[in-house]
Amino acid sequence: DTEVTQTPKHLVMGMTNKKSLKCEQHMGHRAMYWYKQKAKKPPELMFVYSYEKLSINESVPSRFSPECPNSSLLNLHLHALQPEDSALYLCASSQEGVSYEQYFGPGTRLTVT
Amino acid sequence: TQLLEQSPQFLSIQEGENLTVYCNSSSVFSSLQWYRQEPGEGPVLLVTVVTGGEVKKLKRLTFQFGDARKDSSLHITAAQPGDTGLYLCAGIYNFNKFYFGSGTKLNVKP
Repeated sequence: DTEVTQTPKHLVMGMTNKKSLKCEQHMGHRAMYWYKQKAKKPPELMFVYSYEKLSINESVPSRFSPECPNSSLLNLHLHALQPEDSALYLCASSQEGVSYEQYFGPGTRLTVT
Repeated sequence: TQLLEQSPQFLSIQEGENLTVYCNSSSVFSSLQWYRQEPGEGPVLLVTVVTGGEVKKLKRLTFQFGDARKDSSLHITAAQPGDTGLYLCAGIYNFNKFYFGSGTKLNVKP
């Protein structure tokens, strides 16, 4: 199974809402990632978890809060977002090692109104 | 500021033509990957190159890693409409830290 699943596929939320994005993989990968991708731009790294611990935070605003409950699951909690946070949010996972081949989920298309 | 610059940004060619996409940086990578992304989907890994000077082939796609591990190229022979998509290089720095290139949007016309 080389699949990374993400839910929901689409999400529309108001600026005062609280919502969560979910990501799951069953490949035994110990590194998991959140990326943000705006239209016609490349993915931008947000967070990296390694062995269920947050190892990289690319200066992401605190209205985005990641969580890794176990080695298969990764969540991104959203609160008080701004319209400019509207984007495709991608989750990925990889093995630890020199090649770090990432497998991406299909993404959650987030619209903040 | 983009750590990885790709060129060209856009490429529209006829089926059967050859093309090369470049990925350049002033930094040294521990390894580099190429992905292809379809609209509304996540990127799909095509190849990983690790050793300077390495060449890898995947059917009609040839990937090369520069000797100094700062640049890479992707060459497609006899492009087909199914090759259409966004091609992204990604450099890996300091373990787990990925930076994606600016992307090359390829359109192959039948």
